[in-house]
Amino acid sequence: DAGVTQSPTHLIKTRGQHVTLRCSPISGHKSVSWYQQVLGQGPQFIFQYYEKEERGRGNFPDRFSARQFPNYSSELNVNALLLGDSALYLCASSWGLGIQYFGPGTRLLVL
Amino acid sequence: KNEVEQSPQNLTAQEGEFITINCSYSVGISALHWLQQHPGGGIVSLFMLSSGKKKHGRLIATINIQEKHSSLHITASHPRDSAVYICAVGANFGNEKLTFGTGTRLTIIP
Repeated sequence: DAGVTQSPTHLIKTRGQHVTLRCSPISGHKSVSWYQQVLGQGPQFIFQYYEKEERGRGNFPDRFSARQFPNYSSELNVNALLLGDSALYLCASSWGLGIQYFGPGTRLLVL
Repeated sequence: KNEVEQSPQNLTAQEGEFITINCSYSVGISALHWLQQHPGGGIVSLFMLSSGKKKHGRLIATINIQEKHSSLHITASHPRDSAVYICAVGANFGNEKLTFGTGTRLTIIP
């Protein structure tokens, strides 16, 4: 079975631009969570979606938004990019309350 | 004070040594996760615990809910165990928001 997949793997943007990151969960998983990991730090929770509804939101500005599609894949959108948004963005999926399975991440560099 | 604290931050050991990584948390939790992150960023879930002890191969994880403390042990350590080990806690049933520690960087020398 395929694991969690994320695209793109790497991305370079400039300040002020917009970015869309994509995540496909493991087949059968209905929950997707997004995390931001700045270099040298632990991941920080951004959003959780379950059955296409937002179930949790971390302490991130409104420039960050996400959605989950009927096939349970998810997109994370970040508007008006700042230098500080440079990070590894991780997506994780789970069936319910169980173990979260992480994707390989998307490495975003904002110049 | 961080909600999840790990110690040590860095650990270097010889191959074959018994390794212990500690995690303390200050909030009520529904479950505690141990994760392994290799260079390049990929994260692998090792354990999810809500009580007691779990074992998988050379890895053992324990949790003491009363003391709000968990340990990850590696027996007969090997250079391929070199990675960052991260403790994360989930606070609410039905909401899997995880709060992460900053990780322990483990290096096993052959």
